[in-house]
Amino acid sequence: GESVGLHLPTLSVQEGDNSIINCAYSNSASDYFIWYKQESGKGPQFIIDIRSNMDKRQGQRVTVLLNKTVKHLSLQIAATQPGDSAVYFCAERVNYGQNFVFGPGTRLSVLP
Amino acid sequence: DTAVSQTPKYLVTQMGNDKSIKCEQNLGHDTMYWYKQDSKKFLKIMFSYNNKELIINETVPNRFSPKSPDKAHLNLHINSLELGDSAVYFCASSQDQLAGDEQYFGPGTRLTVT
Repeated sequence: GESVGLHLPTLSVQEGDNSIINCAYSNSASDYFIWYKQESGKGPQFIIDIRSNMDKRQGQRVTVLLNKTVKHLSLQIAATQPGDSAVYFCAERVNYGQNFVFGPGTRLSVLP
Repeated sequence: DTAVSQTPKYLVTQMGNDKSIKCEQNLGHDTMYWYKQDSKKFLKIMFSYNNKELIINETVPNRFSPKSPDKAHLNLHINSLELGDSAVYFCASSQDQLAGDEQYFGPGTRLTVT
């Protein structure tokens, strides 16, 4: 399940299940969105991106959905593996390239 | 063959000192960035820079200044360090800021101010 509190929100899933990580973005004028994965002690790593003229994009085991009406972005990971354990960030590009704003992050914990 | 590299990886220093963090990218990218990640993992952009323009996040104190000797380097200078500057600093680069290409991040520099 998902918990929110003083610490980073955490999503715990069983290995092999699908994961859905959600993100609410702030600016209705944002035109480009990215999901990043950050493993412990490393920098964020690109997973998948989507432009505002699309509502869905698929990669290898990952799918990003964009709902501009409610300013919501989600990342779906199919058949979650232990190596997927990390903190996941959504980022929106605002002001046509002048700034990237990152969401607060969600920690994904994969249970054996 | 590291794409984006930063030095040092760890930096421990006292309040009031001046320090620099170096960043180099070998991807031929046009735009480089500096981000600050606090203890709660919150990532915030500090600067974006290409050979035409420096964009400064207005919340960044002027004690922080980026210096770019050439397109492949964007160093971060910090004057009069304060306790609140303790964080992990990430450098990143992208091919074309306006095209929206993904950003490649360095491994980070953990700065601790005592």
